[in-house]
Amino acid sequence: AQKITQTQPGMFVQEKEAVTLDCTYDTSDQSYGLFWYKQPSSGEMIFLIYQGSYDEQNATEGRYSLNFQKARKSANLVISASQLGDSAMYFCAMRRGSGYALNFGKGTSLLVTP
Amino acid sequence: NAGVTQTPKFRILKIGQSMTLQCTQDMNHNYMYWYRQDPGMGLKLIYYSVGAGITDKGEVPNGYNVSRSTTEDFPLRLELAAPSQTSVYFCASSLSGGAGGEQFFGPGTRLTVL
Repeated sequence: AQKITQTQPGMFVQEKEAVTLDCTYDTSDQSYGLFWYKQPSSGEMIFLIYQGSYDEQNATEGRYSLNFQKARKSANLVISASQLGDSAMYFCAMRRGSGYALNFGKGTSLLVTP
Repeated sequence: NAGVTQTPKFRILKIGQSMTLQCTQDMNHNYMYWYRQDPGMGLKLIYYSVGAGITDKGEVPNGYNVSRSTTEDFPLRLELAAPSQTSVYFCASSLSGGAGGEQFFGPGTRLTVL
């Protein structure tokens, strides 16, 4: 079974600082995708960034970047220049190349302070 | 373009009652999914569909049924509600399966069974 581990239940960061949210995964597949979603207090799931297992460069989307270390099976999310609106739950998820479902970690709660 | 819509937003059921959670997408996606999110947890897959007339079980299908008669609609049926089904339910869709392909999520349905 695929497993996603997010070891940080909660994180604090000061506004304008960078923060790294950890994610490790366990799979024997060669082809897979890694995703990060944001869930604000309103409850919706917002897609942030995607990394394919064969992508050689780390994915970036605006202030979000994914630090992909394939040998270590880690896919950490880096948020640069944090904003108050970044306060939310963040979920790491993985999808198998031969599969359909997203397998989610338990999430990390991020609080951005002024 | 509304994306993925879900109704109702909130519902309280009594033990043993039945209900259908509605999900509609207007992106012409073949792949659709139902997830549930329990408090403090990530999402878990209940059922998925790879096209009209084709459905399959996910990780936690017990107590639920689905049908997919059209590309747009993917309703989830709870036959005999139990307190263990108190959760937030998310419907999602994607253009493709496999490692890539962002899943677009609906706003969720918060269900309480008393």
